Amino acid sequence: GAVVSQHPSWVICKSGTSVKIECRSLDFQATTMFWYRQFPKQSLMLMATSNEGSKATYEQGVEKDKFLINHASLTLSTLTVTSAHPEDSSFYICSASGDPSGYEQYFGPGTRLTVT
Amino acid sequence: AQTVTQSQPEMSVQEAETVTLSCTYDTSENNYYLFWYKQPPSRQMILVIRQEAYKQQNATENRFSVNFQKAAKSFSLKISDSQLGDTAMYFCAFMKHGTGNQFYFGTGTSLTVIP
Repeated sequence: GAVVSQHPSWVICKSGTSVKIECRSLDFQATTMFWYRQFPKQSLMLMATSNEGSKATYEQGVEKDKFLINHASLTLSTLTVTSAHPEDSSFYICSASGDPSGYEQYFGPGTRLTVT
Repeated sequence: AQTVTQSQPEMSVQEAETVTLSCTYDTSENNYYLFWYKQPPSRQMILVIRQEAYKQQNATENRFSVNFQKAAKSFSLKISDSQLGDTAMYFCAFMKHGTGNQFYFGTGTSLTVIP
């Protein structure tokens, strides 16, 4: 099956700094990528949807200036958490789809962010 | 808005036995997809099974099958011959057909298979 990778798998950063998380589709072209956030023992919450070459669509309540999403190519999307604070500590998961219907979607392994 | 409800936060089953996980959803859409995802301790989301709403026949994948009741907006997952590797969080998810393509996930059911 299709593979989606995320890098890094785990990152610790100091409060006030920015951190970038990469999501790559390794063996297919992802026209759409999604970013989710998951708190411990909770469900996945969709943060934003990004289509290659266009601006991301953010879900209500997600600060677009804090969570910058770039989908510059058909195989790479990045999520940058700017001016991170401890409350941004979470597990971030991306998924990718090369199918216009979105029916075929593949998840990355996730990135654990800890802000100290 | 779409909502997905999983009313069983935790469940357990003896190895080799059968267990059913419940899921209900609320939507005004007629064309949509339903999914069950498994999230083991590694946190990797793994597709277990999926169902197109227009198909009346229940989907099956080896030991996994669903009971899809469209009128009741119910989509339960049955795991037969449970194995230790089935221990995981299970999320039910809804996807609208057409625009958006985003998942709406339920709150999850933590399943433990007891040896």
